Amino acid sequence: DTAVSQTPKYLVTQMGNDKSIKCEQNLGHDTMYWYKQDSKKFLKIMFSYNNKELIINETVPNRFSPKSPDKAHLNLHINSLELGDSAVYFCASRQGLAGSRAQYFGPGTRLLVL
Amino acid sequence: AQKITQTQPGMFVQEKEAVTLDCTYDTSDQSYGLFWYKQPSSGEMIFLIYQGSYDEQNATEGRYSLNFQKARKSANLVISASQLGDSAMYFCAMRDARSGAGSYQLTFGKGTKLSVIP
Repeated sequence: DTAVSQTPKYLVTQMGNDKSIKCEQNLGHDTMYWYKQDSKKFLKIMFSYNNKELIINETVPNRFSPKSPDKAHLNLHINSLELGDSAVYFCASRQGLAGSRAQYFGPGTRLLVL
Repeated sequence: AQKITQTQPGMFVQEKEAVTLDCTYDTSDQSYGLFWYKQPSSGEMIFLIYQGSYDEQNATEGRYSLNFQKARKSANLVISASQLGDSAMYFCAMRDARSGAGSYQLTFGKGTKLSVIP
């Protein structure tokens, strides 16, 4: 009964490859997010989706593209992977527009680019 | 731009003692919210507690309480009766409202690593 799940948990790949990370939430939430956590543990928002529409797009390289096939899924596709993309990527979700609603995070995907 | 500052990279606390983790913030918004998350060594992010800018009382959730001082722009997390399982990274975060978007994103501080000593 995992609330927010991500696959894969670990991803090791070569520079220049294209990879995808999948996220699914079974909480019925209508907003989903992608965050990047760097080697110093700093978390930064990348994207958010509300009702399948991209509503926030931070200054992320266009090699990163979020794709939401439905309200419960938000996948992250990365083209032409670079060494600097190595990080932990977290998916999160929340319900509604009330500011008191917390974001619930998935377990993270540890990406290592060689 | 919003900013969250956590000045304590690491802290130690004796088991069963209380500990305060500092968080200060900077925002020009009148309406905002502050969150605390815990990240144990296993890596997941766990929501702990929330404080709204208009909340008159400090938030509490079990052993967690938030010492909210609006004039000082601080939202410190207090953990009472520390347990070994409290050893983790703790992140303070602020939500902002993006005009026209109706959604909120979180801006995180750099975190404080808490170690509980038996």
